[in-house]
Amino acid sequence: NAGVTQTPKFQVLKTGQSMTLQCAQDMNHEYMSWYRQDPGMGLRLIHYSVGAGITDQGEVPNGYNVSRSTTEDFPLRLLSAAPSQTSVYFCASRPTRANTGELFFGEGSRLTVL
Amino acid sequence: AQKITQTQPGMFVQEKEAVTLDCTYDTSDPSYGLFWYKQPSSGEMIFLIYQGSYDQQNATEGRYSLNFQKARKSANLVISASQLGDSAMYFCAMTGNQFYFGTGTSLTVIP
Repeated sequence: NAGVTQTPKFQVLKTGQSMTLQCAQDMNHEYMSWYRQDPGMGLRLIHYSVGAGITDQGEVPNGYNVSRSTTEDFPLRLLSAAPSQTSVYFCASRPTRANTGELFFGEGSRLTVL
Repeated sequence: AQKITQTQPGMFVQEKEAVTLDCTYDTSDPSYGLFWYKQPSSGEMIFLIYQGSYDQQNATEGRYSLNFQKARKSANLVISASQLGDSAMYFCAMTGNQFYFGTGTSLTVIP
């Protein structure tokens, strides 16, 4: 039972480089989301999706792109990495867009931008 | 706008004692959910407990209970009989259109 799978777990980038954080879930969840976690700031929502073909911005979307071509996958793209994007990134999903049901989290991806 | 506030950056509790972690929220939606998550030093997010805004009784899950006071907009987590393994970050969260998290409380259980 894989749940939510994030890759890679660790990544070091240089300023200006691009990369994609992959997220896949095998639970047929409608809702998927990306958060970043920084010390003292909790988890802040970057982007989210309520179904294939539908994405929307969260609290801190600048510098990040997402797409949702399938129910299973929700990649997060950094087009031109900046040191301010050094963080731990979590992908999370839940069964529906309704207000019930907890988020299921991936293990996190630690990104360092030099 | 929806908002979650956790005012205790760090807490200490003696092993086997009970501890309350505070959480207040702000929303204009009549329907919402309140959650608590635990994040140990290993980094994973572990779901602990859920309370719906229309639930009449406080939620309980083993040693965890959620003290839900709707009029005061508070959703405090009570951990009874603390164990060393309870040392972790604890996050309060709320659903509306999105899933919002507080800044967390670091709990240390002292032997």
